[in-house]
Amino acid sequence: DAKTTQPNSMESNEEEPVHLPCNHSTISGTDYIHWYRQLPSQGPEYVIHGLTSNVNNRMASLAIAEDRKSSTLILHRATLRDAAVYYCMLRVGNAGNMLTFGGGTRLMVKP
Amino acid sequence: DAMVIQNPRYQVTQFGKPVTLSCSQTLNHNVMYWYQQKSSQAPKLLFHYYDKDFNNEADTPDNFQSRRPNTSFCFLDIRSPGLGDAAMYLCATSRDRGEGQPQHFGDGTRLSIL
Repeated sequence: DAKTTQPNSMESNEEEPVHLPCNHSTISGTDYIHWYRQLPSQGPEYVIHGLTSNVNNRMASLAIAEDRKSSTLILHRATLRDAAVYYCMLRVGNAGNMLTFGGGTRLMVKP
Repeated sequence: DAMVIQNPRYQVTQFGKPVTLSCSQTLNHNVMYWYQQKSSQAPKLLFHYYDKDFNNEADTPDNFQSRRPNTSFCFLDIRSPGLGDAAMYLCATSRDRGEGQPQHFGDGTRLSIL
């Protein structure tokens, strides 16, 4: 299975943008890139997903490199509530949507 | 409104005493999943139901079983809990198994073993 690599932790200041990187150099052509986050004492929460094109939703933006070997989750204005562990994951297109969580990035937001 | 509900939030059982964790959903989704999350680790998929079709992950211990009596409910049974089974157990649902279907998680049941 293709794997992802993320920094263990990152810090951000409140109300500033945050760029969370993810490397997936062994990604295959049918692998979608998914991001979930887990706030303290809660279950994971879907954030965004994409295949080739950049994606935007109300929570975040996903920028995917042209070769698809890396991607970046962008939080446009970090709030204290965005402090969480962010997981970048790959799912195989039509072979089910099983999630394989990696280590994730713990995002700390400073007021 | 809670959509994936796990009860109880905290469960304590004795070593070797069977325990059942429950999950219910109001989303009418076809797929229900169970994950195990140990302290400071990422969630790990144990198994999932696609409708009534049970799908076990290859490395899920035999000690873990699951039941899905209807669309709304799914149970995780641990037949003889060991100390290593202390963890957060997360239930999730998705509309189906196709791409573009996000998973919706409950807030988990934290299981302690005495």
